[in-house]
Amino acid sequence: EVQLVESGGGLVQPGRSLRLSCAASGFTFDDYAMHWVRQAPGKGLEWVSGISWNSGSIGYADSVKGRFTISRDNAKNSLYLQMNSLRAEDTALYYCAKGVGGHFDDAFDIWGQGTMVTVSS
Amino acid sequence: DIQMTQSPSSLSASVGDRVTITCRASQGISNYLAWYQQKPGKVPKLLIYAASTLQSGVPSRFSGSGSGTDFTLTISSLQPEDVATYYCQKYNSAPSTFGQGTKLEIK
Repeated sequence: EVQLVESGGGLVQPGRSLRLSCAASGFTFDDYAMHWVRQAPGKGLEWVSGISWNSGSIGYADSVKGRFTISRDNAKNSLYLQMNSLRAEDTALYYCAKGVGGHFDDAFDIWGQGTMVTVSS
Repeated sequence: DIQMTQSPSSLSASVGDRVTITCRASQGISNYLAWYQQKPGKVPKLLIYAASTLQSGVPSRFSGSGSGTDFTLTISSLQPEDVATYYCQKYNSAPSTFGQGTKLEIK
């Protein structure tokens, strides 16, 4: 069964850091691009960051550029998001999503259940 | 950055109705356009990619069309299980961008 399982969310104070992880199974992880998408409570979807199959291409939304870092470990079938200098507006459910192909220019066909990040003092 | 604008923001229709949702890109994106369905409390689900290609397992009452800047998602005969919020997404290059969503309800 193709599966993505996120972890690492929680309550964190503004200005602090958090690292999200996404464990993939049921498919050849290093063949596909991976992405992080977030959804604030009651709001729409916002793409956060993406990484190509070999980490050769990486992109970020303007809202997180310079604060968040995406990475992957193909040997561990895992995707990560290092989030620094967190702000209240980063509060959201963070989804891990698999690209249809190996590069950025593809839709997202598999989504995890999400991990909630709450930034509050 | 390219902006994606969906219309309407919400709509109410009857079972069996033909429903159309539109998505407009602020610049041309060829056919790098996907549609997702998100039911209340659930994870988004890919319906259509490459503007008109139906994802495996998606009912044939869903269809997509368009290219360049203007796109549509059509449900040919609305079913009760289609109650959801629908999002378009452009993915030709970073940043990928979603539309603001269209909330579909049954009248």
